[in-house]
Amino acid sequence: DTEVTQTPKHLVMGMTNKKSLKCEQHMGHRAMYWYKQKAKKPPELMFVYSYEKLSINESVPSRFSPECPNSSLLNLHLHALQPEDSALYLCASSQAGDGLNTEAFFGQGTRLTVV
Amino acid sequence: ELKVEQNPLFLSMQEGKNYTIYCNYSTTSDRLYWYRQDPGKSLESLFVLLSNGAVKQEGRLMASLDTKARLSTLHITAAVHDLSATYFCAVDRRGYSTLTFGKGTMLLVSP
Repeated sequence: DTEVTQTPKHLVMGMTNKKSLKCEQHMGHRAMYWYKQKAKKPPELMFVYSYEKLSINESVPSRFSPECPNSSLLNLHLHALQPEDSALYLCASSQAGDGLNTEAFFGQGTRLTVV
Repeated sequence: ELKVEQNPLFLSMQEGKNYTIYCNYSTTSDRLYWYRQDPGKSLESLFVLLSNGAVKQEGRLMASLDTKARLSTLHITAAVHDLSATYFCAVDRRGYSTLTFGKGTMLLVSP
């Protein structure tokens, strides 16, 4: 199973709402990532979890709050978002560590629209 | 700060033609990835290049890596319409898969 599953696929939320994006993998990967991709732009790294601990936060605003409850799950909690936060949010997972086998596997993404 | 530059950013080509997409990066890295993205879809992994001189081929696509020149190429042979998509190169900057992506090359193949 080389699949990373993201839910929901589409999400429309108001600026006062609280919502969560979910990501799950069963490949035994111990590193998980959130990337954000705006229209016609490349993906940009937001957060990295390694062995369920947050290891990289790319200066992301606090209205985005990641959580890694266990080695298979990664959440992104959203609160008080702005319309400019509308984007495709991609989850990925990989082997952890500095070994060569750290290819990232991406989920299908959540298309988020903030109104 | 790692910078990854792709060119061209847009490529319109006829079926049957050959072309090369270039990816330059600014700091030392031994790991370079090529992805394909169809409109509204996620990233599909095409190639993982892990050492200097690495060359990989899949169908009409061939990727290579020259770590000394900090250059990777994606060569398209005898293009077909199904190859129309956006192609990204990405460099692993801190280990794991903390990827920095190029801006992408939008490829349009027409009859």
